[in-house]
Amino acid sequence: QVQLQESGPGLVKPSQTLSLTCTVSGDSINSGSHYWSWIRQPAGRGLEWIGRVYVSGAINYNPSLRSRVTLSLDTSKKQFSLKLSSVTAADTAMYYCARGQTTVSFDSWGHGTKVTVSS
Amino acid sequence: SYELTQPPSVSVSPGQTASITCSGDKLGDKYACWYQQKSGQSPVLVIYQDTRRPSGIPERFSGSNSGNTATLTISGTQAMDEADYYCQAWDSSFAAFGGGTKLTVL
Repeated sequence: QVQLQESGPGLVKPSQTLSLTCTVSGDSINSGSHYWSWIRQPAGRGLEWIGRVYVSGAINYNPSLRSRVTLSLDTSKKQFSLKLSSVTAADTAMYYCARGQTTVSFDSWGHGTKVTVSS
Repeated sequence: SYELTQPPSVSVSPGQTASITCSGDKLGDKYACWYQQKSGQSPVLVIYQDTRRPSGIPERFSGSNSGNTATLTISGTQAMDEADYYCQAWDSSFAAFGGGTKLTVL
């Protein structure tokens, strides 16, 4: 049973870079059949996909965030990471990491970590 | 980017059938999936590949997808099914989510 756990600062100042890490346990992050994603949800609102990374190195980003987002994966640490630059209050949200499978989509999610952008 | 449209809310009486729709351009040509999100919790996949249920999801959850509309159907709805439901589909390498539907069981 795979488990995902997000970690990172809960408060980020405007214009700075938000950095989050997702640690994977109970599954091999090296699996070529899986991809690893970040999804966010502002309070009281819907889900927004941020991007996904494969162990092969392939990465896809949400076009609306592409210019500010960097995803990476560290198989040795069983972690994947999100960096979102030049944050504003609009980036305040619950951030989830999730595992995906081709044609299945997001079958496992972390508990989420709340990030507030404020000075 | 690809857009999916859901009704903001759906109400159903206990024991009745609830249907939640998701509309998108040629959605029937893609695989649709559905997530259930209860208050304060992470989303849970309840339907994938249009009609398939992950292990542990009750049989009362079913799905269909044709034309421009995917539908999540909950038969014999229970109070525990009250939640927000999100549809999702891939358009090329972009994951689109619907805006979510709040299901009220009353």
